[in-house]
Amino acid sequence: DGGITQSPKYLFRKEGQNVTLSCEQNLNHDAMYWYRQDPGQGLRLIYYSQIVNDFQKGDIAEGYSVSREKKESFPLTVTSAQKNPTAFYLCASSRALNTEAFFGQGTRLTVV
Amino acid sequence: AQKVTQAQTEISVVEKEDVTLDCVYETRDTTYYLFWYKQPPSGELVFLIRRNSFDEQNEISGRYSWNFQKSTSSFNFTITASQVVDSAVYFCALSEADDYKLSFGAGTTVTVRA
Repeated sequence: DGGITQSPKYLFRKEGQNVTLSCEQNLNHDAMYWYRQDPGQGLRLIYYSQIVNDFQKGDIAEGYSVSREKKESFPLTVTSAQKNPTAFYLCASSRALNTEAFFGQGTRLTVV
Repeated sequence: AQKVTQAQTEISVVEKEDVTLDCVYETRDTTYYLFWYKQPPSGELVFLIRRNSFDEQNEISGRYSWNFQKSTSSFNFTITASQVVDSAVYFCALSEADDYKLSFGAGTTVTVRA
């Protein structure tokens, strides 16, 4: 089935450690996105990529990094510089500009 | 800067009641796109509808309907004859022309009681 796969579903990290969240899509979409969701808030854009080997910062990029070496993959690294990383992270992809985005099931990251 | 406001934080209804979710947006662009997504307890956002700024025709899809009013910058969503399976968080979102960024409202949690 076509879709977006995020892994792992739950992730625990010790303070001071970097951690990488995986996102893979087989929809052949050009654009991919990472959003962060906190309780009572909408989704906030961290990074997005319009095409392979290119990506742009979103509203809350500080403390995060991404890569887009393959069309299918858009991993997100949460670095130790992110002050409050505990959140629900959602990956998405879209076929083109201004089209609907399709989301993965999310990764819940907890810093312990 | 674009902005989406969903003033209703939570709505609780009894099954078979209708429920309307409000969405008010702000943008300086004349061309923009509005979306509604549903987030069930599983966490994945499910796309419901996309509407461009030049199409003000209301839309109905089964028990779902949408009312787009440019004059009041609103894009409201109504669930008719609600069911327990409709319980979820619903998000309204906006993207401006030539911008990949999708701006979300804070979401409205709908609880349908049997």
